[in-house]
Amino acid sequence: ETGVTQSPTHLIKTRGQQVTLRCSSQSGHNTVSWYQQALGQGPQFIFQYYREEENGRGNFPPRFSGLQFPNYSSELNVNALELDDSALYLCASSLGMGYQETQYFGPGTRLLVL
Amino acid sequence: QQQVKQSPQSLIVQKGGISIINCAYENTAFDYFPWYQQFPGKGPALLIAIRPDVSEKKEGRFTISFNKSAKQFSLHIMDSQPGDSATYFCAATPVGNQFYFGTGTSLTVIP
Repeated sequence: ETGVTQSPTHLIKTRGQQVTLRCSSQSGHNTVSWYQQALGQGPQFIFQYYREEENGRGNFPPRFSGLQFPNYSSELNVNALELDDSALYLCASSLGMGYQETQYFGPGTRLLVL
Repeated sequence: QQQVKQSPQSLIVQKGGISIINCAYENTAFDYFPWYQQFPGKGPALLIAIRPDVSEKKEGRFTISFNKSAKQFSLHIMDSQPGDSATYFCAATPVGNQFYFGTGTSLTVIP
């Protein structure tokens, strides 16, 4: 059984650019949640996808968008990057859409916006 | 506004000692309280979780104490080991809603 994987591991972009981050969920999991973790802070919920539909969103602007594919892998897209978007982006998969289902986190993608 | 307040920010404990991390919340709709452990370069991993219908839950050396009236919960690590050195996050979630994480506690266990 493979765990949650994310790509790329690190990324450097400049302000105004767009970025796509990818996540492969753990085998059998149909739900993916994305989090932003700023340095020295706890993860902040961005949104969750259940069976290709968005199932809840945190306090993030529309330039943060996502997709979930039929194989339950997922993408996080961020448009018009800002310096404050520099953070570790975590993906977590779970079996079922309930927020109290155990979430298994990937190692994250470290994004630096210059 | 921080929904879950966590303290201390950092903690240094001698090997064999007890590590205690505290969290407080205001939203009475929260009904699930997990603790996550995060090592450098890794994503958080679920350590232990509790629901408010019990006051304590123990799994090995890790214990959650929960005080519903005070809206506080804490993680106790007994017989702390150097391998426990990591960042610990408390979290809370109401039914059918998102997780709210604390700001984290960096634990260092000195041999």
